[in-house]
Amino acid sequence: GEDVEQSLFLSVREGDSSVINCTYTDSSSTYLYWYKQEPGAGLQLLTYIFSNMDMKQDQRLTVLLNKKDKHLSLRIADTQTGDSAIYFCAERIGGYNKLIFGAGTRLAVHP
Amino acid sequence: DAGVIQSPRHEVTEMGQEVTLRCKPISGHNSLFWYRQTMMRGLELLIYFNNNVPIDDSGMPEDRFSAKMPNASFSTLKIQPSEPRDSAVYFCASSTSGTASGNTIYFGEGSWLTVV
Repeated sequence: GEDVEQSLFLSVREGDSSVINCTYTDSSSTYLYWYKQEPGAGLQLLTYIFSNMDMKQDQRLTVLLNKKDKHLSLRIADTQTGDSAIYFCAERIGGYNKLIFGAGTRLAVHP
Repeated sequence: DAGVIQSPRHEVTEMGQEVTLRCKPISGHNSLFWYRQTMMRGLELLIYFNNNVPIDDSGMPEDRFSAKMPNASFSTLKIQPSEPRDSAVYFCASSTSGTASGNTIYFGEGSWLTVV
């Protein structure tokens, strides 16, 4: 079946690194995505990784993919207060870009 | 690029009324998705279209919900009659189809629906 799971909350201190974890079930997923949602706003694509990669880095963001364990993580270096938001992991199913989302991880950044 | 445009941004309506949500996808995108977001159920895919044709509507909760895509630049999601449990944020998203290069899916800002 199709299921994506994430922990619901993460609290970090400003300047520390944040690591948000995600597990998925569909081994046929071709791409995995991280989206960010700020209060009252839509979903903003942060980054994505192809399933044959195990790491992707984009400025402060590092995505790690363990395909064997179906585990995805997003690391945010030097976390800032502006990073406070809900982060959604999603897997793409099939050729029509159908996305299955996790419940989202609420990241709180405190001084 | 104007992005995915949704209207209305906010709507408050009375139970039993008809609600129509509108979406204009990004020009050149041929896949369109309607999602619903609630606290209880998170983000749910309701229906998606490819080249204006509905591909999978298995996420549409009831017959009260219907969606159309009469042309490549416009889609509607209709709820008739609306009920308080339909209160949610409804997102429209679009992308190009196929498996190449991630085919980034872009979301609109959402339509915030409250049914009282």
